[in-house]
Amino acid sequence: GDSVTQMEGPVTLSEEAFLTINCTYTATGYPSLFWYVQYPGEGLQLLLKATKADDKGSNKGFEATYRKETTSFHLEKGSVQVSDSAVYFCAHDMRFGAGTRLTVKP
Amino acid sequence: GAVVSQHPSRVICKSGTSVKIECRSLDFQATTMFWYRQFPKQSLMLMATSNEGSKATYEQGVEKDKFLINHASLTLSTLTVTSAHPEDSSFYICSARLQGHYNSPLHFGNGTRLTVT
Repeated sequence: GDSVTQMEGPVTLSEEAFLTINCTYTATGYPSLFWYVQYPGEGLQLLLKATKADDKGSNKGFEATYRKETTSFHLEKGSVQVSDSAVYFCAHDMRFGAGTRLTVKP
Repeated sequence: GAVVSQHPSRVICKSGTSVKIECRSLDFQATTMFWYRQFPKQSLMLMATSNEGSKATYEQGVEKDKFLINHASLTLSTLTVTSAHPEDSSFYICSARLQGHYNSPLHFGNGTRLTVT
């Protein structure tokens, strides 16, 4: 069946470091792909999305490219900030990866 | 726009009692809502898909008689945990998708922390 596999972490980085969180999926057809973020004490919210192959979603300095050939949607940010500390979820449709907790230290 | 309200945010109940959690889409209509359980190490488990006017579709391993879902209108879905036990203590989250927007992002409630004593 459809599923999402995500690097679980936790991930701890220093401020201004480069971030990659890996995500791969299995699905029938070509679903839209999403990254959601859950900040401490808050509900999940959409971070970015991509609706078809080779699309790049971006928001708040984060990017992810929909790679059909590798069935991947890795999340990247060139320079993380303390305020990026949160849990990040990769998803397609209503199915989510396990979530990756990111902690950014000053 | 696209606000989902979930109530209550916290509830404590005694073992053997039932608890109802409400999920409302405040400014849009949602044909489909989803219920999740979030475990301590943050993973989000899909419990069931709630469809307005029809029976919910439960994921494998989720007891439908224990977790009753009702989606009586386009703006309200409820999850009732029946005969709750301490192992049902968890964080429950609902989400909704705009009516007619298949494959669009989900909008989430802020979750309900259930503690069963």
